[in-house]
Amino acid sequence: QVQLVQSGAEMKKPGASVKVSCKASGYTFTPYYLHWVRQTPGQGLEWLGRINPYNGGTSYAQKFQGRVTMTRDTSISTAYMELSSLTSDDTAVYFCARALAADYYDTSAYPYWGQGTLVTVSS
Amino acid sequence: EIVLTQSPGTLSLSPGERVTLSCRASQSVTSSYLAWYQQKPGQAPRLLIYGASSRATGIPDRFSGGGSETDFTLTISRLEPEDFAVYYCQQYGSSPGTFGQGTKVEIK
Repeated sequence: QVQLVQSGAEMKKPGASVKVSCKASGYTFTPYYLHWVRQTPGQGLEWLGRINPYNGGTSYAQKFQGRVTMTRDTSISTAYMELSSLTSDDTAVYFCARALAADYYDTSAYPYWGQGTLVTVSS
Repeated sequence: EIVLTQSPGTLSLSPGERVTLSCRASQSVTSSYLAWYQQKPGQAPRLLIYGASSRATGIPDRFSGGGSETDFTLTISRLEPEDFAVYYCQQYGSSPGTFGQGTKVEIK
């Protein structure tokens, strides 16, 4: 069965960076884009961007351009999302989510989600 | 980007009741690429409906989706105890994909 397992909760100080991992199993990693979505009480659910696991190509939401970097390691079927210059507004639960099918690229519905990673930014 | 507005914000209902949730888009959603999710506290969203009306794998047939262009609905024909949760719509026809703010269905 398809599973996405994310790394554990993080606590960071303002100005720091955080890197969250998402390990995929139960399917072939490379054909399906992986997306990152965050959830905050104030902004709700918000798309950060996506990565093409086949070639590492990325597309980021304009709001996060310059602050977010998505990478992957195909040898261990794992994707990563790094967010820099953190502020308290970045306190959120971060989810990875797999695209509905292999022909969904920049946008998709998400049938599979990681369990979420709480990132807390506080001095 | 497309803004999705869900209504109402909260519904207080009893098990066995029928409920219809609304999701209105600020512009037409391409190819009816509209999804609905259910979320319970501490859990990731669960895909219920995609393509406006297709049920995801394993979703009971008491859940149905409808609508097109800018107006979409999610109907639960008969509320079960496990259906009390927050429901989100999402459009994925245009980048960036966007989500509504959610409708909470609570027990009356």
